[in-house]
Amino acid sequence: DAKTTQPPSMDCAEGRAANLPCNHSTISGNEYVYWYRQIHSQGPQYIIHGLKNNETNEMASLIITEDRKSSTLILPHATLRDTAVYYCIVRVDRGSTLGRLYFGRGTQLTVWP
Amino acid sequence: GAGVSQSPSNKVTEKGKDVELRCDPISGHTALYWYRQSLGQGLEFLIYFQGNSAPDKSGLPSDRFSAERTGGSVSTLTIQRTQQEDSAVYLCASSSIQGNGYTFGSGTRLTVV
Repeated sequence: DAKTTQPPSMDCAEGRAANLPCNHSTISGNEYVYWYRQIHSQGPQYIIHGLKNNETNEMASLIITEDRKSSTLILPHATLRDTAVYYCIVRVDRGSTLGRLYFGRGTQLTVWP
Repeated sequence: GAGVSQSPSNKVTEKGKDVELRCDPISGHTALYWYRQSLGQGLEFLIYFQGNSAPDKSGLPSDRFSAERTGGSVSTLTIQRTQQEDSAVYLCASSSIQGNGYTFGSGTRLTVV
């Protein structure tokens, strides 16, 4: 049960911002939103995560709606190397155990020149 | 090493043979996961180890699959009497209990002929 819904594919022009949406309408109060990406033939790579505040790091920004039922991953200046499958995941991040990651089908982002 | 190491990177085996896949997590990471990814598909959870707790084996597809984690570090995934449908990339990930995200290895590509 992936618990998230993402569009299967998106395109973006190189140098423009890529905004990848994710719906997680059944998210619980203690579940974080994580984003990973997988470039062809490689293992998934961690991008960013958040609970309810917007987050930014060197790779991307994460915008979470106030009701936490959806979020958007923003790659501010997409490059050709950002072409990958992007996974939005919710997981529990409290207590002495760590919840598993449920990977859905993700969004295939294609950045074109 | 700095990352999660998996070996072998590629394995071709005959149907009916047993195989062992190895995962060497990041030193100090208490959580370890096995996933598999069939061609063109998303990631499928297999098993999860967390410290000294009993592993979560709920994702193992059949009793031909087993995994162990010795000394809380290296893990071995064993597939007995391999079948062609076992062909996939097997991915291992580890995380610290306070980690920001899981670090995945590059995977083992298993081909059963």
